[in-house]
Amino acid sequence: QQQVKQSPQSLIVQKGGISIINCAYENTAFDYFPWYQQFPGKGPALLIAIRPDVSEKKEGRFTISFNKSAKQFSLHIMDSQPGDSATYFCAAIYTGTASKLTFGTGTRLQVTL
Amino acid sequence: DSGVTQTPKHLITATGQRVTLRCSPRSGDLSVYWYQQSLDQGLQFLIQYYNGEERAKGNILERFSAQQFPDLHSELNLSSLELGDSALYFCASSPTPGANYGYTFGSGTRLTVV
Repeated sequence: QQQVKQSPQSLIVQKGGISIINCAYENTAFDYFPWYQQFPGKGPALLIAIRPDVSEKKEGRFTISFNKSAKQFSLHIMDSQPGDSATYFCAAIYTGTASKLTFGTGTRLQVTL
Repeated sequence: DSGVTQTPKHLITATGQRVTLRCSPRSGDLSVYWYQQSLDQGLQFLIQYYNGEERAKGNILERFSAQQFPDLHSELNLSSLELGDSALYFCASSPTPGANYGYTFGSGTRLTVV
C-alpha cells in the first residue's frame, strides 16, 4: 500500500522555468512533510519541509504548497537551474513514537540549458 | 559530509553469500533507519532502531536482520543473497524517533549480487 503518491515520474524543464512536483497522501495522521533532493551516488538530503498548519513555505527558490483538505502538497522550484537536476522525493511522517518516513516514488528532474 | 557514515561504499558478492553493512549515525542521534533503494522501487523502509531497541519494521525480508549496538552504530545483515537484492542500501539517523526535522542520510552502500 503506497501511502504517498508522487508525480510526475520524470520532468524536463528549461533553465529559468518553474519545476512543479506533486504529492498526495492518504494517512491523515501525517503531520510533517519533508522534501528530499538526491544527486546520483549520494544519499537523499533534506531540502525543505512543512507542517499541515501552514499552507505555504518558501526557502529561496524552493516553495512547498500544502492543501490539507485535498491531502496534497507540491514542490515548486522557481528559476530552475541545471544544478537543480536531481531526483526529488516527497515524504510524510507522523511524528509520534515508532514512526518512520514514508517516501514517494521520486521525480527525476532534468533542467536543460 | 552528512555526519552519517556507511561502510563499505561498494560491495560485490555472489548469490547465496552473506554480507554486513555498517552505519554510524550522526553524533547525538539515537535513532537509526535502514532503507533499500532499487531502480524501480524508490526508497523502501526496512527497519528502525532507537537506542538499541527495534522500533519498527517495514518490508524487510526474513533473510535480512539488523541490530543497533550500545555505541549506537548499526549493522544490516543480508544472507542467502539473491540477484534481486542488488540495490543501494541507505542508513539514516535522527535524534529521536518520529523527529519533526527529518532524517540525515548516509551516502549508501551499493550492493551488487552476481
